[in-house]
Amino acid sequence: EAAVTQSPRNKVTVTGGNVTLSCRQTNSHNYMYWYRQDTGHGLRLIHYSYGAGNLQIGDVPDGYKATRTTQEDFFLLLELASPSQTSLYFCASSDERLFFGHGTKLSVL
Amino acid sequence: GEQVEQLPSILRVQEGSSASINCTYENSASNYFPWYKQEPGENPKLIIDIRSNMERKQTQGLIVLLDKKAKRFSLHITDTQPGDSAMYFCAASVNTGNYKYVFGAGTRLKVIA
Repeated sequence: EAAVTQSPRNKVTVTGGNVTLSCRQTNSHNYMYWYRQDTGHGLRLIHYSYGAGNLQIGDVPDGYKATRTTQEDFFLLLELASPSQTSLYFCASSDERLFFGHGTKLSVL
Repeated sequence: GEQVEQLPSILRVQEGSSASINCTYENSASNYFPWYKQEPGENPKLIIDIRSNMERKQTQGLIVLLDKKAKRFSLHITDTQPGDSAMYFCAASVNTGNYKYVFGAGTRLKVIA
């Protein structure tokens, strides 16, 4: 099974803070994704990418930037964090089947 | 439209009975439909999937049905056990081009012993 590793596992920041969530996959998948999970909304797509240097806009992109620096690495950036961005964030990679990381729990106070 | 609607949001069943979860999608180009199970504190894991060239797929105690005309697909868990208690998510994807997955809001299944 593909390995998708997220860091950090937990993060607390304050409103207006700058946060970077990291994701690395080791199975050479082309596609990588960032989702947020909130009760009642399921998994909502923030951004995704089909290769280094590529970025596609997801369904809930406002307030988020992302960058795919290599085939393996995909970063999610919150430059001015807000309490509405408190959520559980999942990174995933895909060879058609999605493989998820273990998530990052972000709290914005 | 690319939304996926999933019902019910909460499902309680007796151990040994069947559980059914239904999803509808809007994008007629969708051609791949996976189901994910998520246990508390864990990440979602793929349990079964179906492609648009099939109407039914079965593996172990899971059955998925796909009705392309109605843009509806469903998961049926037979002979439920307490270990089946979890969140279940359906998703739809167009796997030619951009591989964008859209998820339903999830079903919390509770199997009562």
